[in-house]
Amino acid sequence: DAGITQSPRHKVTETGTPVTLRCHQTENHRYMYWYRQDPGHGLRLIHYSYGVKDTDKGEVSDGYSVSRSKTEDFLLTLESATSSQTSVYFCAISESQGGTEAFFGQGTRLTVV
Amino acid sequence: GENVEQHPSTLSVQEGDSAVIKCTYSDSASNYFPWYKQELGKRPQLIIDIRSNVGEKKDQRIAVTLNKTAKHFSLHITETQPEDSAVYFCAASKGGNQFYFGTGTSLTVIP
Repeated sequence: DAGITQSPRHKVTETGTPVTLRCHQTENHRYMYWYRQDPGHGLRLIHYSYGVKDTDKGEVSDGYSVSRSKTEDFLLTLESATSSQTSVYFCAISESQGGTEAFFGQGTRLTVV
Repeated sequence: GENVEQHPSTLSVQEGDSAVIKCTYSDSASNYFPWYKQELGKRPQLIIDIRSNVGEKKDQRIAVTLNKTAKHFSLHITETQPEDSAVYFCAASKGGNQFYFGTGTSLTVIP
């Protein structure tokens, strides 16, 4: 398995609080992605990064921000968590733009109460 | 952006039978089509992929076909086994930074 680790694996938080999820890779891959997985919606892209400090929005970016200060770390922040952000979050990495496999982390189950 | 549709959403087959999952995509510029398998509580993992310059690819009991004209691609699993039970996702990418995923197919193989 590719060296990609997400933390925490599980989190329960209250509405209105900020939350940060971390993705760490040891593969030195350039591209990193944050997806959320919800029943009936598959995997939807939140934000992605194509290099240190280079990020862009995906299809469901509202309410989320990201940062990548080092190649190996990609952080996802929920500025003020809402119940609609209860989901399973997956980080993924890939070596190049499209055309190559994306490797997924183990996922983070986030519950906003 | 790209729109990937996947059917069926659920599929049950008897052990030993074949299973077929179909996806369509909207952007003719898409050129890479991976398939992922996700077991319950686990991460999605690549099982097979195909590029737009190839019409079919096989790997043991798994095959993928691509029809660029119709913008269709399909996953075929032959001689299904109980361990094939999982959720399968198709995806499309056009060399940009995004993979667009289908909504998934829950496959159950009945022993």
